[in-house]
Amino acid sequence: DTGVSQDPRHKITKRGQNVTFRCDPISEHNRLYWYRQTLGQGPEFLTYFQNEAQLEKSRLLSDRFSAERPKGSFSTLEIQRTEQGDSAMYLCASSLLGTSGDIYEQYFGPGTRLTVT
Amino acid sequence: AQSVTQLGSHVSVSEGALVLLRCNYSSSVPPYLFWYVQYPNQGLQLLLKYTSAATLVKGINGFEAEFKKSETSFHLTKPSAHMSDAAEYFCAVSETSYGKLTFGQGTILTVHP
Repeated sequence: DTGVSQDPRHKITKRGQNVTFRCDPISEHNRLYWYRQTLGQGPEFLTYFQNEAQLEKSRLLSDRFSAERPKGSFSTLEIQRTEQGDSAMYLCASSLLGTSGDIYEQYFGPGTRLTVT
Repeated sequence: AQSVTQLGSHVSVSEGALVLLRCNYSSSVPPYLFWYVQYPNQGLQLLLKYTSAATLVKGINGFEAEFKKSETSFHLTKPSAHMSDAAEYFCAVSETSYGKLTFGQGTILTVHP
């Protein structure tokens, strides 16, 4: 168990550019979540996957945002035509959804800090 | 819709003093409740979770929280603060045991020698 990893850890981009972030969940975790955290606020839910299926998207996820999880392993979050308001920490989390009904902890990665200039 | 309110964005205590971080929630269904801690430049780490089996929940590092349905609260406490407890703490609620989390705005805990 090497934990959830995210790449890159920091990204500085100019307004209007596209950026893509990657998340590698804990192996065998079938659920993967993306959250966004702005300065002084708690994380806000963006979207989540059950294996490769994207099951829910927040209204925060505008049409400039797209997330994928091909083959149910790693996930990517792409932001097109970045705006200064996109500057935030993007957090990825994974968990294992089984059948016992227990509460399944979400394990968080260190995040990718995006700065749009 | 669910929501979480953390009372006090900053809490300062002396080393050895009681830590009390307040969390109130709103949920239309019986909630699942969590406390996470975030150290600088690190991801969120789960401190404890409410499973409905017991109203007093014990977590890691000596923290515990009590679920009070009548008060819609889930306050986090630790009898004696340690310098290493300095971090930001987040309360979160979920409608299911495995679903998306709704977080409060966080409370930064400072521990003075």
